[in-house]
Amino acid sequence: SAVISQKPSRDICQRGTSLTIQCQVDSQVTMMFWYRQQPGQSLTLIATANQGSEATYESGFVIDKFPISRPNLTFSTLTVSNMSPEDSSIYLCSVKGQGSEQYFGPGTRLTVT
Amino acid sequence: AQSVTQLDSHVSVSEGTPVLLRCNYSSSYSPSLFWYVQHPNKGLQLLLKYTSAATLVKGINGFEAEFKKSETSFHLTKPSAHMSDAAEYFCVVSYSGGYQKVTFGTGTKLQVIP
Repeated sequence: SAVISQKPSRDICQRGTSLTIQCQVDSQVTMMFWYRQQPGQSLTLIATANQGSEATYESGFVIDKFPISRPNLTFSTLTVSNMSPEDSSIYLCSVKGQGSEQYFGPGTRLTVT
Repeated sequence: AQSVTQLDSHVSVSEGTPVLLRCNYSSSYSPSLFWYVQHPNKGLQLLLKYTSAATLVKGINGFEAEFKKSETSFHLTKPSAHMSDAAEYFCVVSYSGGYQKVTFGTGTKLQVIP
């Protein structure tokens, strides 16, 4: 299984500002995923990030609000732009394992005030 | 299209008694199914996975799940609950397509009573 780290682990931000979350993997992976987990809820896929191509966003998520970078096979960033209190969530990145399972980072807990 | 339904949002058991967390799936393709556990303020950990091999899958910490195609179910069980099992459990479905998109269930919170 892959070892995944995320930075920051948590942050408190003011509305209208942006936060960039970093995801680092200890091995090269083709596909990385970004999820949101709102308080008391399950995980919702935001987008899939493949190295060398534009991220693919799920319905309800747009690039202007959640721009993603994928500069190489071990790293990705997700930016939450122009934040509002409704963006308060845990944001998780994941990678696909050798099968179809995914392995998750520890998450970034974001609070927007 | 694929979906997964976790039939109970909360399950409460006494320590030492069996655990049953129920999951039903819907998938147009041959599914892969997973159970993940999330302890409070922790990340998601893969408990076990089914990928069309043996229908009875054994995972970590004494958990197992049985894939029943006729019932479209993938229930998670453990013979004897431990206090450390208290957590939220997610059933997840994926299909063997090129996109590898997964769909999460809504989660079941397991409470273990001493």
